[in-house]
Amino acid sequence: DAGITQSPRYKITETGRQVTLMCHQTWSHSYMFWYRQDLGHGLRLIYYSAAADITDKGEVPDGYVVSRSKTENFPLTLESATRSQTSVYFCASSEWGQNSPLHFGNGTRLTVT
Amino acid sequence: AQKVTQAQTEISVVEKEDVTLDCVYETRDTTYYLFWYKQPPSGELVFLIRRNSFDEQNEISGRYSWNFQKSTSSFNFTITASQVVDSAVYFCALRGYGGATNKLIFGTGTLLAVQP
Repeated sequence: DAGITQSPRYKITETGRQVTLMCHQTWSHSYMFWYRQDLGHGLRLIYYSAAADITDKGEVPDGYVVSRSKTENFPLTLESATRSQTSVYFCASSEWGQNSPLHFGNGTRLTVT
Repeated sequence: AQKVTQAQTEISVVEKEDVTLDCVYETRDTTYYLFWYKQPPSGELVFLIRRNSFDEQNEISGRYSWNFQKSTSSFNFTITASQVVDSAVYFCALRGYGGATNKLIFGTGTLLAVQP
């Protein structure tokens, strides 16, 4: 089915470990985004990508790495996880054009112990 | 810099009451887009509406209506005759037109609780 899929849905990891959150969309949307959602902060943009091999920082990029070798995939890597990165992570995609709404995945709940 | 402010952290109403969720934004772009999203208790984010900066017409969709006023940089959302199913977190968001502002920035959200 067409859509945007995040995996895993839940992840528990330890401080200092590397973890990668996956995001896959089947719409061939140009734009993809990663947000984190924390109580009191709403949704904050981590990184976004306008096309394959084009990425840019958002509001809170420190501690995260992204890549986009294929249009449909936009993985987010925490190189050395910290407790402050415990959050719910949402991936989103949109068509080219600033008036295009974002379509969100169901989120990944990450806990760093 | 772009910014979206939703000053109301939580609102509680009784079913059938009308409720307005406030959204104030800041941007230097002359062309920009405003959005509202709903996040029900199940957690998914649902797109509700978009509005571009050149279209100040208010919009009504069933019990939902949106009031866009450029003069006050506001894009408020009103639910008429609220229902329990309207209980959710509502986010207002802004997307600019320029290269550096072409990203969707969200407010901190308003938690709406509709009591039966």
